[in-house]
Amino acid sequence: DVKVTQSSRYLVKRTGEKVFLECVQDMDHENMFWYRQDPGLGLRLIYFSYDVKMKEKGDIPEGYSVSREKKERFSLILESASTNQTSMYLCASNTSGRYTNSGNTIYFGEGSWLTVV
Amino acid sequence: DQQVKQNSPSLSVQEGRISILNCDYTNSMFDYFLWYKKYPAEGPTFLISISSIKDKNEDGRFTVFLNKSAKHLSLHIVPSQPGDSAVYFCAARGGSNYKLTFGKGTLLTVNP
Repeated sequence: DVKVTQSSRYLVKRTGEKVFLECVQDMDHENMFWYRQDPGLGLRLIYFSYDVKMKEKGDIPEGYSVSREKKERFSLILESASTNQTSMYLCASNTSGRYTNSGNTIYFGEGSWLTVV
Repeated sequence: DQQVKQNSPSLSVQEGRISILNCDYTNSMFDYFLWYKKYPAEGPTFLISISSIKDKNEDGRFTVFLNKSAKHLSLHIVPSQPGDSAVYFCAARGGSNYKLTFGKGTLLTVNP
């Protein structure tokens, strides 16, 4: 089974703090993603990475950065946390094999609840 | 510009009856569609998918229908069970990268 592990389930941070959210996958997937989920807004893509040290902006990258130094690890960084970044953050991964049986299903971690006060 | 739309924020169904969740999309480049299920405080889990070359895919109680001309897909759950109560997200894949575009989700409540 695919395993996507997010290191922190629940965090409370102060406004202005630097926040790191870590994610590790064990399926040797090329692609990794960070989404945030907010009520009424669904899942919105923040950043994704298709290879080590490669990254692309998603739909809402402002206020975030990412790091992918190793294939299995993808970190989301909030340089200066703000209250509007209080949310559930979801890491995900999938393979680049376009015509796999899974159809490039994205596998999600359990989520990290971040509260910025 | 919302490319994947789930126009019903919520749906309530009686146990044993059919649940029908709908999804519309606008991007003709989408070639693969997926449904995810999400319980509170958990990550979404993959439920069922369909390629754009098909119009139906079935897996147990779950069936997804795709109408390409109408750019519409639907998820049918028969019979519905209380454990099916969750938020359901429709997602679509297209283009040269492999990211998914998600709808805003529909909260399904199955009443015993």
